[in-house]
Amino acid sequence: SQTIHQWPATLVQPVGSPLSLECTVEGTSNPNLYWYRQAAGRGLQLLFYSVGIGQISSEVPQNLSASRPQDRQFILSSKKLLLSDSGFYLCASRRDTNEQFFGPGTRLTVL
Amino acid sequence: DAKTTQPPSMDCAEGRAANLPCNHSTISGNEYVYWYRQIHSQGPQYIIHGLKNNETNEMASLIITEDRKSSTLILPHATLRDTAVYYCIVRSYNNAGNMLTFGGGTRLMVKP
Repeated sequence: SQTIHQWPATLVQPVGSPLSLECTVEGTSNPNLYWYRQAAGRGLQLLFYSVGIGQISSEVPQNLSASRPQDRQFILSSKKLLLSDSGFYLCASRRDTNEQFFGPGTRLTVL
Repeated sequence: DAKTTQPPSMDCAEGRAANLPCNHSTISGNEYVYWYRQIHSQGPQYIIHGLKNNETNEMASLIITEDRKSSTLILPHATLRDTAVYYCIVRSYNNAGNMLTFGGGTRLMVKP
């Protein structure tokens, strides 16, 4: 089965600072990859998805961007963080089956 | 993808069956019903999915009404470790991005 790694696990950043969250996938190749954000007490919101290297689709306009430099690597970035960027960020992968496998998440607090 | 409606919270006694309802009245013919759960501060975990027929696996059973406008997730013998937020999602199998649209879910509290 697939294993999703995310780091860092927690992050506290000041407003206006840059961001880079990394997600890597083991146990599969050419997966569809996804970034979700979960604000406190709310459901998950899909931010980006990628069906292949260099292919990124954005679901909502925002302060964030995503990149997929390698088949099993998915990066979430920002040039200048906003307070509203705080949340729990989840990376997910899907390949062949109907399931999406989720990583452990990164909890970002912007102060 | 069709939207879903779930009660925001439910309680269940340990050892009893937990029945979590979901309404998806605008579901279309090619959309599957998926259930995920999320234990606090962890990533969501896949539970089960179905199209028309009832489904059962080692975790749960999924009952879908004949008109497919609603479904029920059944945890036959709830344990304290089943306390989590349960998400009901409908999506098209052929959706290019195979995206999951999560709503607010149902917060299930299993009590001793």
